[in-house]
Amino acid sequence: DIQMTQSPSTLSASVGDRVTLTCRASQSLGECLAWFQQKPGKAPKTLIYKASNLESGVPSRFSGSRSGTEFTLTISSLQPDDFATYYCQQCNAYAPYTFGQGTKVEIK
Amino acid sequence: EVQLVESGGGLVQPGGSLRLSCAASGFTFSDHDMDWVRQAPGKGLEWIGRSKNSGQRYTTEYAASVRGRFTISRDDSKTSLSLQMSSLKTEDTAVYYCVTWIAGRGYWGQGTLVSVSS
Repeated sequence: DIQMTQSPSTLSASVGDRVTLTCRASQSLGECLAWFQQKPGKAPKTLIYKASNLESGVPSRFSGSRSGTEFTLTISSLQPDDFATYYCQQCNAYAPYTFGQGTKVEIK
Repeated sequence: EVQLVESGGGLVQPGGSLRLSCAASGFTFSDHDMDWVRQAPGKGLEWIGRSKNSGQRYTTEYAASVRGRFTISRDDSKTSLSLQMSSLKTEDTAVYYCVTWIAGRGYWGQGTLVSVSS
């Protein structure tokens, strides 16, 4: 099974900060990774699909990239609405389609 | 607009059974993979199963944690996905989400809460 490791588990940052969240896969995924944002009591929302494609309606301050088996979600200038938990999920050809354990972005 | 609406959650005793449904609209249901994902209270997201699309003969896949206890089925005529859960354990307590994948994008329902407790 492919393991997905997100870091850090918690990130404390201020409005306006540039923040970088990382998701590392135990095997090659190609571009097959998505990023989701989840707020308390709500369903997850897709931010990025296929590693670097911005979902329609998502602000352009969000971006995704890939280097080998390491994937990055960057928020260029953190806004109050961005304080949430972020998950990555691999969409490789075979199950299980594992999630990372999540990164909680908190107000510093 | 893609819409997924889960239903069927509730309180069930350990060892019991429950059937969840997901009503889908806004896309060609038979063409797309459908997942169930759950989230235990205060925990992260856990993928638990998939019904693949008609081109992949509706193959089903399951996480080890639910294999043999949970069964996914779909009714393309009703554009509905189901999750039959049996031999439920307290650790199955979670919000259960229905997810579809369209051109690499994930679309989520609002979730339905299942509580397993005596």
